[in-house]
Amino acid sequence: AQTVTQSQPEMSVQEAETVTLSCTYDTSESDYYLFWYKQPPSRQMILVIRQEAYKQQNATENRFSVNFQKAAKSFSLKISDSQLGDAAMYFCAYRSASLREYGNKLVFGAGTILRVKS
Amino acid sequence: ETGVTQTPRHLVMGMTNKKSLKCEQHLGHNAMYWYKQSAKKPLELMFVYSLEERVENNSVPSRFSPECPNSSHLFLHLHTLQPEDSALYLCASSQDSGQNSPLHFGNGTRLTVT
Repeated sequence: AQTVTQSQPEMSVQEAETVTLSCTYDTSESDYYLFWYKQPPSRQMILVIRQEAYKQQNATENRFSVNFQKAAKSFSLKISDSQLGDAAMYFCAYRSASLREYGNKLVFGAGTILRVKS
Repeated sequence: ETGVTQTPRHLVMGMTNKKSLKCEQHLGHNAMYWYKQSAKKPLELMFVYSLEERVENNSVPSRFSPECPNSSHLFLHLHTLQPEDSALYLCASSQDSGQNSPLHFGNGTRLTVT
C-alpha cells in the first residue's frame, strides 16, 4: 500500500519570503499522480498544484512550484513571496494511475500547518 | 460557492441519536467520496461512489451508512456513534473517468459525539 509522509507538523515563514514544505511517499508503482492541497480555516480543501509522475518537468502554478524527485520519492512544495492568505494546513496526496485502482482514491499525508508572519 | 456543499456545518449528537450528513455537488461530476479528518491524522477515505454505485468501503463500521441516490447527492447516515467518531467529515467529488481529475471538496461537517 502507498503511504505519504509529511515530516513537518508546522512551518513558519515571513511574509514575502520563500518556504518549502516536504513530502515523501512510498510506492512500488511507476505511474502515478501527486497533489498538494491547501486547507484554510474555512476547512475547504483547495487544489494547489499537481504533478504527473511521467513528466520530468516540475509543475508550477504562479507562486507555487514543486521539486519532484522521482528516484528519491520526494515531492516538496515551494511557496515564493508568501502572503498572509497562504496560511493554512497543506496536504500532500498520492494517487495511482493504475487502471486497476477504481475511482479516484487519494492517499493523504498528515499535513503541515503553515503560519505566515507579517 | 465551492461547487460542493455540505450540511450541516456543525453537528452535536448523543451516542443514541440518528442523524444524517448531506453533500451536494453542482459540478457535473460522477464520483463522490466521504473522508474523515481527525486531529493529527491523515485524511481517511471512507466510501467512494462512482455512477451512484459504491465501489469502495474502507472497513468502515456499520454505524456509518452511506447513500447515493443520484450523482449529485451523497448522504452519510449516522447511528449509535462513539465519541471517537468525532471528527471533520469531508465530502468530495470528481470526474471519475479522468485519472488526473482532481477532487473538489466541500467545507466539511464538524461532528461532535457526546
